[in-house]
Amino acid sequence: EAGVAQSPRYKIIEKRQSVAFWCNPISGHATLYWYQQILGQGPKLLIQFQNNGVVDDSQLPKDRFSAERLKGVDSTLKIQPAKLEDSAVYLCASTTIAGTYEQYFGPGTRLTVT
Amino acid sequence: GQQLNQSPQSMFIQEGEDVSMNCTSSSIFNTWLWYKQEPGEGPVLLIALYKAGELTSNGRLTAQFGITRKDSFLNISASIPSDVGIYFCAGPDWGGTYKYIFGTGTRLKVLA
Repeated sequence: EAGVAQSPRYKIIEKRQSVAFWCNPISGHATLYWYQQILGQGPKLLIQFQNNGVVDDSQLPKDRFSAERLKGVDSTLKIQPAKLEDSAVYLCASTTIAGTYEQYFGPGTRLTVT
Repeated sequence: GQQLNQSPQSMFIQEGEDVSMNCTSSSIFNTWLWYKQEPGEGPVLLIALYKAGELTSNGRLTAQFGITRKDSFLNISASIPSDVGIYFCAGPDWGGTYKYIFGTGTRLKVLA
């Protein structure tokens, strides 16, 4: 089966610009996660969706980050405006249902903010 | 908040050697997960631990809870070049259901 798809793979922007990332989870996976992975660190959860509803967004910097999952399938994560400290890899993961430990990760989008 | 600390931070070993790494938490966990991440890819689940005292294996990899259940160990036997990567532990976040926090990672390099 196809894995989690993410695009773009790389993005370079200047600070204060906007950027959006796209994720398409594995077909049939109801739960979708966005993680931020800063170089040299483990992934940090930003937001978790169950179908098209938000389960947890407690670590999402809501003044600049937003995410949506319309129709409960693919999802977009947006940063507006970007800051230098947003430079990181943004990972998307999905599971069949909430409560499953086995998350399948996409390859990530590497964002560089200059 | 909870933190998971992994050691060593990085290690260089010769092909064929055995490897051991560990992960410690400030809290008791009932579940431990071990992931591997290769350059340019997302993490891939290697082993999931649910029962303290048991050794769980996946090929040349074995993992287990520590005695206090505040730690976990991952061992790789007879390392090969494709074992290169960053190994992360993960445990459940006490603040949410089925939300996991990741450790700081152990970077493994295998010299042929």
